[in-house]
Amino acid sequence: AQSVTQLGSHVSVSEGALVLLRCNYSSSVPPYLFWYVQYPNQGLQLLLKYTTGATLVKGINGFEAEFKKSETSFHLTKPSAHMSDAAEYFCAVSGGYQKVTFGTGTKLQVIP
Amino acid sequence: SQTIHQWPATLVQPVGSPLSLECTVEGTSNPNLYWYRQAAGRGLQLLFYSVGIGQISSEVPQNLSASRPQDRQFILSSKKLLLSDSGFYLCAWSVISAENSPLHFGNGTRLTVT
Repeated sequence: AQSVTQLGSHVSVSEGALVLLRCNYSSSVPPYLFWYVQYPNQGLQLLLKYTTGATLVKGINGFEAEFKKSETSFHLTKPSAHMSDAAEYFCAVSGGYQKVTFGTGTKLQVIP
Repeated sequence: SQTIHQWPATLVQPVGSPLSLECTVEGTSNPNLYWYRQAAGRGLQLLFYSVGIGQISSEVPQNLSASRPQDRQFILSSKKLLLSDSGFYLCAWSVISAENSPLHFGNGTRLTVT
């Protein structure tokens, strides 16, 4: 069984401030972890993924995430928020073929 | 490059009417195909997935069905819509042979049942 918990359904940051979106996972097998971004009325777009190897994963648009096995976490960060980062972000865990579980999402608001 | 097309973008249907949503993928062969439904504050719910033509797995019992008549075509249907079928429906594909393949999503269909 696997699950994902995203802490905070809404996060607000000022433009230029650090973005931190939290994700904790539970998986009975070594997980594959993903972050997706969704803009209004659009599908989800892959930001980054962790499979194996380096625990710090860099993605598109300046985002990165760090896999911490001891904390079962995969938090998403960006050093400086931009207005265009306002969107909904989803963490997901895959424990094998076809078995992808999504978190409930975090809406990021960027305040000018 | 691979692309995924989903239509229509929006749909308003009365209760009891039929439904057909279509999804096609280009630029890849034999993909895994998925239908998800997204409700506000509830994340994404996997409805169906398919690993090949005519092979459909249902994740939740419901008023909907899916079919895969061709390798890169995935259809979501209902004979009689319910109010609870309203939502944002997303089609996605992934590489069938890669356990860590991410999902690639279409732009979704917003269905409102009135």
